[in-house]
Amino acid sequence: DTGVSQDPRHKITKRGQNVTFRCDPISEHNRLYWYRQTLGQGPEFLTYFQNEAQLEKSRLLSDRFSAERPKGSFSTLEIQRTEQGDSAMYLCASSPPRALEHEQFFGPGTRLTVL
Amino acid sequence: AQSVTQPDIHITVSEGASLELRCNYSYGATPYLFWYVQSPGQGLQLLLKYFSGDTLVQGIKGFEAEFKRSQSSFNLRKPSVHWSDAAEYFCAVGGGNDMRFGAGTRLTVKP
Repeated sequence: DTGVSQDPRHKITKRGQNVTFRCDPISEHNRLYWYRQTLGQGPEFLTYFQNEAQLEKSRLLSDRFSAERPKGSFSTLEIQRTEQGDSAMYLCASSPPRALEHEQFFGPGTRLTVL
Repeated sequence: AQSVTQPDIHITVSEGASLELRCNYSYGATPYLFWYVQSPGQGLQLLLKYFSGDTLVQGIKGFEAEFKRSQSSFNLRKPSVHWSDAAEYFCAVGGGNDMRFGAGTRLTVKP
């Protein structure tokens, strides 16, 4: 039973560059979430997919951020023209298609450092 | 709007001592409540959850939590802490696309 996986685990980039992260949810989990976690804080919701549909986006998700889940399986999160303020841990979570439980299973995260 | 407050940023306990981590929430309806643990550089692992029913819930690794509606609290407890419990602990309320996390409590365990 594999859990949620994320790739890469670490990314160092220069300001202004574009970066893309990948998340593979637990198979048969139809819901997928992206969070951002800065140092000393809890995760903050960024966006949410049910199957391939992106149903909600946080106002934290500026125009430089885009997320996709083209076939309802893996998802990508792209940040264009990175800024130093984008440095954070980006967490992905998935949950099964069962009503009421709402439990989310988290991946190990991708730590982004923008120089 | 729903929110979570974890009043203690950092707690230090001796190995073998008991532990209580505080969590207060604000939510308009009956909340779904969660405690997660995060080791350095890792993702979050679910310790326990409360949806309904018995207000004392048991979780993994010997943790338990008690839902107290009158106090809007969901405190996490462990009777005897192990050195491997040193980590960051997050309380969360809600669920699905409306999950709100507290800022976390960092637990240090003294030998």
